[in-house]
Amino acid sequence: AQSVAQPEDQVNVAEGNPLTVKCTYSVSGNPYLFWYVQYPNRGLQFLLKYITGDNLVKGSYGFEAEFNKSQTSFHLKKPSALVSDSALYFCAVREYTGGFKTIFGAGTRLFVKA
Amino acid sequence: NAGVTQTPKFQVLKTGQSMTLQCAQDMNHNSMYWYRQDPGMGLRLIYYSASEGTTDKGEVPNGYNVSRLNKREFSLRLESAAPSQTSVYFCASSVSSDYEQYFGPGTRLTVT
Repeated sequence: AQSVAQPEDQVNVAEGNPLTVKCTYSVSGNPYLFWYVQYPNRGLQFLLKYITGDNLVKGSYGFEAEFNKSQTSFHLKKPSALVSDSALYFCAVREYTGGFKTIFGAGTRLFVKA
Repeated sequence: NAGVTQTPKFQVLKTGQSMTLQCAQDMNHNSMYWYRQDPGMGLRLIYYSASEGTTDKGEVPNGYNVSRLNKREFSLRLESAAPSQTSVYFCASSVSSDYEQYFGPGTRLTVT
């Protein structure tokens, strides 16, 4: 079974509208969950993480994510999208398979239209 | 503070040639990683080093070798390049596996 899934290849949203990028996970035990963003021709940049505590995690650039244990989801959200948010977004989960490794989803491309 | 640096930025190899990708971090991180990124497949872990002196295989280690030269440096070697190794390679580091990773700018490798 896939450890982390991003069900949407692409998300389109108008500037000023709220955005959601979806992520579901499948690991045993308590998950460590991360969101990263990649701009063109750049390496990934860390946005936020959930390890324990409050289910709503706030991160960089106004992004936040909600951990939902019953739905095994960790969706990325932003109340008001900017054109500059257009990028590739990766969800990741730390899992244990003979050692702790971080597994990345396939990525979701976000397009924000002016 | 340069973060994670990678050299070279671009490389073209012929099938069968060898090369080493260099990675260095100046954040005093314990763990370092090598990934490859291919369209539609996200990032796949090639090898990682949880701490200085240790290396372990990731999801796609075949055709690659690594060396954790010291705490700062982690190199990736292709002994006999194949067209299937055409990809963008990223090095990353983190305090430990519990923490977020910091990525280098990547190396775009083409094998013809």
